[in-house]
Parts: sequence; C-alpha cells; structure tokens
Amino acid sequence: AQKVTQAQTEISVVEKEDVTLDCVYETRDTTYYLFWYKQPPSGELVFLIRRNSFDEQNEISGRYSWNFQKSTSSFNFTITASQVVDSAVYFCALSSNDYKLSFGAGTTVTVRA
Amino acid sequence: DSGVTQTPKHLITATGQRVTLRCSPRSGDLSVYWYQQSLDQGLQFLIQYYNGEERAKGNILERFSAQQFPDLHSELNLSSLELGDSALYFCASSATWAGPPATYEQYFGPGTRLTVT
Repeated sequence: AQKVTQAQTEISVVEKEDVTLDCVYETRDTTYYLFWYKQPPSGELVFLIRRNSFDEQNEISGRYSWNFQKSTSSFNFTITASQVVDSAVYFCALSSNDYKLSFGAGTTVTVRA
Repeated sequence: DSGVTQTPKHLITATGQRVTLRCSPRSGDLSVYWYQQSLDQGLQFLIQYYNGEERAKGNILERFSAQQFPDLHSELNLSSLELGDSALYFCASSATWAGPPATYEQYFGPGTRLTVT
C-alpha cells in the first residue's frame, strides 16, 4: 500500500519569508512518481511539479524548489520569498504501481502581507 | 485554466436523489480520473477510464458509477444520495500512457461542489 504523510497541518508566514513543506511517502515499488499540487481558495487543483523515483536531482523553478531524498522517503517543497498569492493548500501526491494518485492530507499555507 | 471542464459547478439536491456530473478532458487526453474531496476523507480516488474502458477503481461506493463516452467526455452518476456524499468532486485527465504507474501529471477541472440536504 502507498501512503503520503504531510505532518504540517498549517504554516503561517510573513511575505518574503521562505516556506518549506514536508512530505514523506511510503511505497514498496521501485518505480514511482511524486507530485506537488496547489489548491488556492478558489478551489481548483493546480499541478506544480513532478519527479520520478530514478531522478534525485533537486531543481529550482522560479520561486519553487524541491528536495527529493530516497534514503529518507522525503519529497520536500520550498517556496522562496513567499507572496500573498501563494496562500493555498498544498498537496503532495504519489503514483506507484497502479493508476491513481494518492494524496497527503495537505498543508495550509497562509502568507500575511 | 487546466483545459478540463466540469459541469455543473454547484449542485444542491436532497437525500435519496440521483445526480450526474459531467467532465470533458483536455484535448488529446485519453485518461479520465474522478476524485472526491471531503473534509473527513481528504482527496480520494474514485475511478479511472482510459479511452472508454474502466481501468481502475478506488474507494467508489456501489451507489456511484461512471462511464466514458466515445467523444472521451465522462460522467459520474451518484444515486441514493446521502448527507455524507456532500463533497467536492474533481475530474482530472492526463496524457496517453500504457500502464501503471500514472507517470503523467493529472490536470484537474474546477470541480463540482455537491451539497446533499
């Protein structure tokens, strides 16, 4: 069975602070994919990033960066210099040896001006 | 805008009733997924179709059913509705792929908020 744990329920920061969201996953499969999605107050789910299990290279895309470590089964996500528009619920998700996405419970990020 | 459309946006109905939620995937996507988001259960996978065929089932109740039509749009039918079925129902689509795992990112529609009174 696969499982995604986002231990942080809520994070509140002041604008321009960095925010790091933790994600720990469980799967017995050697091939899997990890995703981050954002759900702003308007409700839609927006795809942010994808990483496969064979590529542990960490990247930066604009103000987003991620840290994938297979040794600790973690896939953390950082927003640099946060802005009010970053306020949303962020979901980590895992796709393993089936067709679905398994989501974590989500972390609510509030960025205050 | 993800390119996935869902109708209606909001639906209010009474217990015992039946409703149909509709989804049109992104142009070119053959896979359609349905998810339910509720406060107590979070985001749960319900069912997936690929080019008209059911590929995977998740935590979908027997009162719920779905299908994907030749034009690739999909419908989720919810019957004998209960108060606990009140939730946000998402449809997602992804690019063609041959099998698990779901390697391509899924693009989600805006959701249908169902309220059962």
